[in-house]
Amino acid sequence: AQSVTQLGSHVSVSEGALVLLRCNYSSSVPPYLFWYVQYPNQGLQLLLKYTSAATLVKGINGFEAEFKKSETSFHLTKPSAHMSDAAEYFCAVSDRGSTLGRLYFGRGTQLTVWP
Amino acid sequence: DADVTQTPRNRITKTGKRIMLECSQTKGHDRMYWYRQDPGLGLRLIYYSFDVKDINKGEISDGYSVSRQAQAKFSLSLESAIPNQTALYFCATSERQGARDEQFFGPGTRLTVL
Repeated sequence: AQSVTQLGSHVSVSEGALVLLRCNYSSSVPPYLFWYVQYPNQGLQLLLKYTSAATLVKGINGFEAEFKKSETSFHLTKPSAHMSDAAEYFCAVSDRGSTLGRLYFGRGTQLTVWP
Repeated sequence: DADVTQTPRNRITKTGKRIMLECSQTKGHDRMYWYRQDPGLGLRLIYYSFDVKDINKGEISDGYSVSRQAQAKFSLSLESAIPNQTALYFCATSERQGARDEQFFGPGTRLTVL
């Protein structure tokens, strides 16, 4: 089974600072990789996903993530944090060779943005 | 209108009661999923369904059952609720494409078992 590790259950940044949320996966075959965001009292929505050769993926709201096979990582970044970015962020993976479409989620990182 | 809806949004019940959580979708997707979210544990898969006749257990199916009444409806039941089933429950859908597909989530049902 896939395994996803999100380093840091809580991350705090000042408004305007760089946001870096870390995600590492465990499989030897690179999976499909996703970042989802959950705003308070809402369901999850997709920020971005990696499914092809382009290793730098741009998503919504100014977020991007870079797939690094050598580091088995898919870290999420945003150059300048905004108060509205405060939310919980989940990294997820699915098996590239599978037709099941099953997602395996990390434990989540709560992002706090200070004014 | 939301594409994936869940009812109820909040429910408080007592140990031993039978509870049903309902999910409906207007996206026309074949695949539907039920997850539970616990603080610090992320989302864990309870059951998933690829069509009305295809239902599969996820990693934490014990104590739960499901029913796929139609392509658009997927219900989760707790036959005899217990306190450690207190959690936030999400329904999700995806198209038939498989592993590369995005999943679309409902707003969640917050269940408290006393």
